[in-house]
Amino acid sequence: KAGVTQTPRYLIKTRGQQVTLSCSPISGHRSVSWYQQTPGQGLQFLFEYFSETQRNKGNFPGRFSGRQFSNSRSEMNVSTLELGDSALYLCASRESLRLSYNVLFFGPGTRLTVL
Amino acid sequence: ELKVEQNPLFLSMQEGKNYTIYCNYSTTSDRLYWYRQDPGKSLESLFVLLSNGAVKQEGRLMASLDTKARLSTLHITAAVHDLSATYFCAVVAGSNYKLTFGKGTLLTVNP
Repeated sequence: KAGVTQTPRYLIKTRGQQVTLSCSPISGHRSVSWYQQTPGQGLQFLFEYFSETQRNKGNFPGRFSGRQFSNSRSEMNVSTLELGDSALYLCASRESLRLSYNVLFFGPGTRLTVL
Repeated sequence: ELKVEQNPLFLSMQEGKNYTIYCNYSTTSDRLYWYRQDPGKSLESLFVLLSNGAVKQEGRLMASLDTKARLSTLHITAAVHDLSATYFCAVVAGSNYKLTFGKGTLLTVNP
């Protein structure tokens, strides 16, 4: 099976702009999560979607939002970009919500740079 | 709030030596994961530990979990250069699936 794919891989934006990142999960995986990775804060959970519904949300401001489509693909949006939003954004998928021991499979990430 | 602490954060080893990375967490959990990240790459799943006393081994890496002590260890045996990477532990607490990660251990194996 193909792995988790994310587009674009690299983005450069300026402060105040908005950005949309895309993620396609592994075929058959219905849950998609997003994580932010920065050198200072490490890996932090943003949100999880399952069947087009947000199941869980991390401690990020409302400028960070997401959605999931009926084909399980997900998008993440960040509005009014700040310098501190520069990070590697990782998408991850897992098979279902029923199995508590699911492994999260991560995509290659989108490197966002805010100037 | 769940906190996950890894130590050491930086580890420089010689090839052939053994070492252990420690992962402590602050609240009850029965699910702990170890991931590896190579520079500029994504996270690769290494182990899933689900119960007290669980031990998993893959090649030169062995992970264990002590839920009573809230401690997991990742033991490296006879390190080789290919093991150079950053290793993360991550814990799930409660019924949700939010992974809380440690800061990571940057492992460098020198010839």
